[in-house]
Amino acid sequence: GNSVTQMEGPVTLSEEAFLTINCTYTATGYPSLFWYVQYPGEGLQLLLKATKADDKGSNKGFEATYRKETTSFHLEKGSVQVSDSAVYFCALREVGKLIFGQGTTLQVKP
Amino acid sequence: GAVVSQHPSRVICKSGTSVKIECRSLDFQATTMFWYRQFPKQSLMLMATSNEGSKATYEQGVEKDKFLINHASLTLSTLTVTSAHPEDSSFYICSVLGGEATDTQYFGPGTRLTVL
Repeated sequence: GNSVTQMEGPVTLSEEAFLTINCTYTATGYPSLFWYVQYPGEGLQLLLKATKADDKGSNKGFEATYRKETTSFHLEKGSVQVSDSAVYFCALREVGKLIFGQGTTLQVKP
Repeated sequence: GAVVSQHPSRVICKSGTSVKIECRSLDFQATTMFWYRQFPKQSLMLMATSNEGSKATYEQGVEKDKFLINHASLTLSTLTVTSAHPEDSSFYICSVLGGEATDTQYFGPGTRLTVL
C-alpha cells in the first residue's frame, strides 16, 4: 500500500541555520503531497502542498518540490527561527484519505 | 483555509463513562470529515471517515461500537467514546475536507482525552 517515510528526529538546529527534512513516499498513482506542522499543544496546520510532479509548494519561507523520479518531497528552509520549533508531518493523499509520515520534531535554539 | 473547532479541548473522565467530542466546520459546509487519533510522539492514525447523512466508514481495527461517529449536519460531526478505558486516553483530532481546495484537509485543534 501507499506509505510515507520521514527522517527520524529530533532535528536540532541553531537559529538561521538551513533546514532539510527528508520525505519519501510509495504510491501506485500520482498523489498530492503535503507538509503539515504541529506546534506544541495544537492541532495540525497545512504548511504547503504540491499536486503534481515538479510542482513546488512554498509558504512562510518553507519549500518542497514534488520529485516523481526520486519519489521525494523534502522540506527546506533557508534560515530557521526559534518559532519554527514544531513537529512536521509529510503526507500524501490517497482517494481522499491522508497517509502521514511518522513526524519529525524540529528544535531551533537561539 | 477552513476554520475547524473542537470541543472540548481537554476532558478527563472515569473509566466506564462515555465522552462526546464535537467537531465543527465554522466557515463552510463540510460533506466529509475525518477523525484521527494521535498517540504521544507518534503520527496520526485515521480512525474513520464521516460523510454527512450516512454511516461513517471505519478503518480496519477501529471498533465501530466503541467509537460512535455521527455527522448529522454539514457543520458538525461528533465522536463518542463509549465505556472509556485508560487505553483510550489519547489526542483525538478531526479534519474537514474541502473549503477552498477539495484535496486539502483542515484540522481542528484536537481534544486531549484522559481516562482515569
